[in-house]
Amino acid sequence: AQTVTQSQPEMSVQEAETVTLSCTYDTSESDYYLFWYKQPPSRQMILVIRQEAYKQQNATENRFSVNFQKAAKSFSLKISDSQLGDAAMYFCAYRWFYGGSQGNLIFGKGTKLSVKP
Amino acid sequence: NAGVMQNPRHLVRRRGQEARLRCSPMKGHSHVYWYRQLPEEGLKFMVYLQKENIIDESGMPKERFSAEFPKEGPSILRIQQVVRGDSAAYFCASSPKTDPGQPQHFGDGTRLSIL
Repeated sequence: AQTVTQSQPEMSVQEAETVTLSCTYDTSESDYYLFWYKQPPSRQMILVIRQEAYKQQNATENRFSVNFQKAAKSFSLKISDSQLGDAAMYFCAYRWFYGGSQGNLIFGKGTKLSVKP
Repeated sequence: NAGVMQNPRHLVRRRGQEARLRCSPMKGHSHVYWYRQLPEEGLKFMVYLQKENIIDESGMPKERFSAEFPKEGPSILRIQQVVRGDSAAYFCASSPKTDPGQPQHFGDGTRLSIL
């Protein structure tokens, strides 16, 4: 069974600094997608970034980037120049696909990020 | 362009009552997913539906829970004879086609409280 593990329940970062959130996953599939979602106190689920497993190049979206290590099954999120609005729960998620079939999203338990002014 | 709409935002029920949660996917989306989030937990998959079809219900409890996505109208998640343990946030997500790279767009969730 596929699983997603986020080993840091809480993290804190100073405004304008950089923070890295960890995520590991377990799967026997070769084709899949990985996602980071942000959930602010408003409870919306907001897609931050996604990575295709078949692409070796790490995805980036403005201040957000990932370090994808397929062999190690690791998918960490780096937030640069942290802003107060980045404070939220961050969830790592996995989704397999094969041919015309696909799986649902499997989420980790989340990391609560605090940003200090 | 309206996003995924869920209603109600908050729902309070007494033990033994029925709860109906509604989800209207984004325009043009024909795939709907329901997830449940318990306090201090990540989202857990419940069911995946396309119009008039249940594709995957492996995450649904075997009893009291059902879901539908009719040809017309919103998707409904129905919980019969609710118990305290059903208290959670229920999220609906939609996607336009069978493409796992297409991100699922989430609604704001329904927070269900059982008295």
